[in-house]
Amino acid sequence: GAVVSQHPSRVICKSGTSVKIECRSLDFQATTMFWYRQFPKQSLMLMATSNEGSKATYEQGVEKDKFLINHASLTLSTLTVTSAHPEDSSFYICSARDSSVAGSYNSPLHFGNGTRLTVT
Amino acid sequence: AQKVTQAQTEISVVEKEDVTLDCVYETRDTTYYLFWYKQPPSGELVFLIRRNSFDEQNEISGRYSWNFQKSTSSFNFTITASQVVDSAVYFCALSEAVSTQGGSEKLVFGKGTKLTVNP
Repeated sequence: GAVVSQHPSRVICKSGTSVKIECRSLDFQATTMFWYRQFPKQSLMLMATSNEGSKATYEQGVEKDKFLINHASLTLSTLTVTSAHPEDSSFYICSARDSSVAGSYNSPLHFGNGTRLTVT
Repeated sequence: AQKVTQAQTEISVVEKEDVTLDCVYETRDTTYYLFWYKQPPSGELVFLIRRNSFDEQNEISGRYSWNFQKSTSSFNFTITASQVVDSAVYFCALSEAVSTQGGSEKLVFGKGTKLTVNP
């Protein structure tokens, strides 16, 4: 089945530094990828929609200058948490949709394994 | 606004018991999708099922079955003869049906139900 790889799985960084998280679709192309955030024992909240070759669409309340998204190819989207602070510590998870599937805009999302970010 | 409610925060059962996870949703859309995902302790989200709003037929996949009832806005998930490996957090989710390529499919998740299956 469709596989989405996310890297790194865990990262610990110091406050003020930036962290880049990669999301790759391994066996399919994805013109659209999605970034979610999950606080401990909480649900997943959509942060932004990443579109290949164009700007990401951010959900209300998400700072686009803090959470930089780049979707430079059909198989890779990156999320950079800039000037990270302890309150940014969370579980970040990406998802992607197989663009080759007919009517793909409604095909199921496949999720990566997530990245646990800890900012000290 | 769309909303998904999973009233059961945690459920604990003994192996081989049947267990039903409840999901109630709210939406003004006439066309929408409902999902169930499994999140084991390792963190990844595993896709289990997607059902569109026009298909109320119940589905069975092995030990898993889903009961979709539009009249009560519910999409419940039953695991038959539960196993220890079923222990995970299960999320129910709802999305609108996107009509254009690249449109934002905003998956609204419930808060999840933590299922523990004891040997």
